[in-house]
Amino acid sequence: GENVEQHPSTLSVQEGDSAVIKCTYSDSASNYFPWYKQELGKRPQLIIDIRSNVGEKKDQRIAVTLNKTAKHFSLHITETQPEDSAVYFCAASKENTGFQKLVFGTGTRLLVSP
Amino acid sequence: DVKVTQSSRYLVKRTGEKVFLECVQDMDHENMFWYRQDPGLGLRLIYFSYDVKMKEKGDIPEGYSVSREKKERFSLILESASTNQTSMYLCATQATRGGTEAFFGQGTRLTVV
Repeated sequence: GENVEQHPSTLSVQEGDSAVIKCTYSDSASNYFPWYKQELGKRPQLIIDIRSNVGEKKDQRIAVTLNKTAKHFSLHITETQPEDSAVYFCAASKENTGFQKLVFGTGTRLLVSP
Repeated sequence: DVKVTQSSRYLVKRTGEKVFLECVQDMDHENMFWYRQDPGLGLRLIYFSYDVKMKEKGDIPEGYSVSREKKERFSLILESASTNQTSMYLCATQATRGGTEAFFGQGTRLTVV
């Protein structure tokens, strides 16, 4: 089955710096890669996703890149702000198959200091 | 606006008890999931269901079972609760069309004493 590894487990940056979180997946048939943000005491929420036919996707200060050959995808946050502090999870699944089992990484705790 | 509601926010049960965690969604989503969240281990899939009365084991199904008698309701059952099942449990739903957002419930923090 699919296995998703995520690094680093914790990341501390100063406000305004960039943050990068990296994930690797094992199943080459996976083709959908979402990222979720979980603020303290709240439920995870989707912030951005990418499909395997796209190499990069941006949404304001966040971007995701995908390298299918290396089975590697990353989340990039620029100009970080204190409200970006949260736990971020990457995930992988197979789109348009019988059922889409969503497998998550272990999470990255991002702390943005003012 | 999708609503995924878990029956309890906090639950304390005794070792050996049978525990039911309920999840109800109002968006007519086909897929429903139960995850367990533990520090350093992320979100681990216990069971998922892609249709009424259909279920599939996830990565850590041991000690758990599920029930989906109606499309909107997915129940997680701990047959005989143990202390190592103390955790945060999250339910999620997703439309069956691939590559769509999964919506999570607010979580149930279960403590087994």
